[in-house]
Amino acid sequence: TQLLEQSPQFLSIQEGENLTVYCNSSSVFSSLQWYRQEPGEGPVLLVTVVTGGEVKKLKRLTFQFGDARKDSSLHITAAQPGDTGLYLCAGAPLSNTGKLIFGQGTTLQVKP
Amino acid sequence: NAGVTQTPKFQVLKTGQSMTLQCAQDMNHNSMYWYRQDPGMGLRLIYYSASEGTTDKGEVPNGYNVSRLNKREFSLRLESAAPSQTSVYFCATINRDPSYNEQFFGPGTRLTVL
Repeated sequence: TQLLEQSPQFLSIQEGENLTVYCNSSSVFSSLQWYRQEPGEGPVLLVTVVTGGEVKKLKRLTFQFGDARKDSSLHITAAQPGDTGLYLCAGAPLSNTGKLIFGQGTTLQVKP
Repeated sequence: NAGVTQTPKFQVLKTGQSMTLQCAQDMNHNSMYWYRQDPGMGLRLIYYSASEGTTDKGEVPNGYNVSRLNKREFSLRLESAAPSQTSVYFCATINRDPSYNEQFFGPGTRLTVL
């Protein structure tokens, strides 16, 4: 069974601080996605990374896919209260069944 | 263009009662999914439907049944609800073109079983 270990599970920081969330597995994925979920809503896709070593930037968010396509990270620079939410990573197995493997999620709270 | 819609948004059941959660999508996607979300456990797949007329079990199918009514609609049924099924349920569709498996989620149904 493929697993994605996400860390940390909880993060509470002050506005302006930087942070990194990690998503690790012993399995290779064909692609990896990061979702953000706000209270009372469904997850919304932030980014998809496909190539080993790929780096994508979305304003203050930087996403990286590991060279071996087994891990990924999300780095937020100068966090703002609007970044508060649940961040989920999800990997697409090489078998391409259409099913995703989700990490447990990281709850981020950014205090003003 | 509503995307993925779910009804109801909230539901309280007594143990042993039955109910059906409805999901509809207007994105013309072939594949649809039902997940449950519990604290600290991420999203766990209950059932999925790769295309109209097909359904398959996911990670946690026990106590649930599904129906893929047509391309747009995918329903989840609890025949005899149990407190362990208290959770938030999400329906999702997937864009597999170009095979990136990007999922689009509905707003969720918050179910409490007493």
